[in-house]
Amino acid sequence: DTGVSQDPRHKITKRGQNVTFRCDPISEHNRLYWYRQTLGQGPEFLTYFQNEAQLEKSRLLSDRFSAERPKGSFSTLEIQRTEQGDSAMYLCASSFSTGTGNEKLFFGSGTQLSVL
Amino acid sequence: QQQVKQSPQSLIVQKGGISIINCAYENTAFDYFPWYQQFPGKGPALLIAIRPDVSEKKEGRFTISFNKSAKQFSLHIMDSQPGDSATYFCAARGGLTLVFGKGTRLSVIA
Repeated sequence: DTGVSQDPRHKITKRGQNVTFRCDPISEHNRLYWYRQTLGQGPEFLTYFQNEAQLEKSRLLSDRFSAERPKGSFSTLEIQRTEQGDSAMYLCASSFSTGTGNEKLFFGSGTQLSVL
Repeated sequence: QQQVKQSPQSLIVQKGGISIINCAYENTAFDYFPWYQQFPGKGPALLIAIRPDVSEKKEGRFTISFNKSAKQFSLHIMDSQPGDSATYFCAARGGLTLVFGKGTRLSVIA
């Protein structure tokens, strides 16, 4: 168990540019989540995958955001035409659903995005 | 989704003391209440969790107290240590997603 891995750890970009983040979940985990965290706030839910299917998206996820999880393995989160308001820590989490309702989310260390 | 309100925003505790962080929620459909610990530059890590059919859960120095009628729950850290200095988040699950509080920055001083 090597944990949830996110890449890159830091990304600085200019307003209007596109960025893509990658998340590698714990290998046997079938659920994958993306959250966003701004300074002094708790994580906010963005989207969720069960295997390769994207089952839920937050209203926070505008049309400029897209997430994929091909083959139910790693996931990517792309932000097009970045805005300064997109500056935040983007966190990925994974879990294994046992059907008991006691699943535990394991978070990665996040990608810190700064939009200049 | 309904908000989870967390207090205090920051907390300073003497080494060996008890740290208490409180959370309140509105949505009675929440069915799982975890606490997460986050160190700077790291993602949140699950500390302890409770379901609403239990009033208290203890794991080592960490205890969750849950009051279903008041819709409140709290984290107690006994014998607080400098290594416990971190930001703590309460959360509540609605459906398959977690709603987080805004966090409490705990500083344990010697």
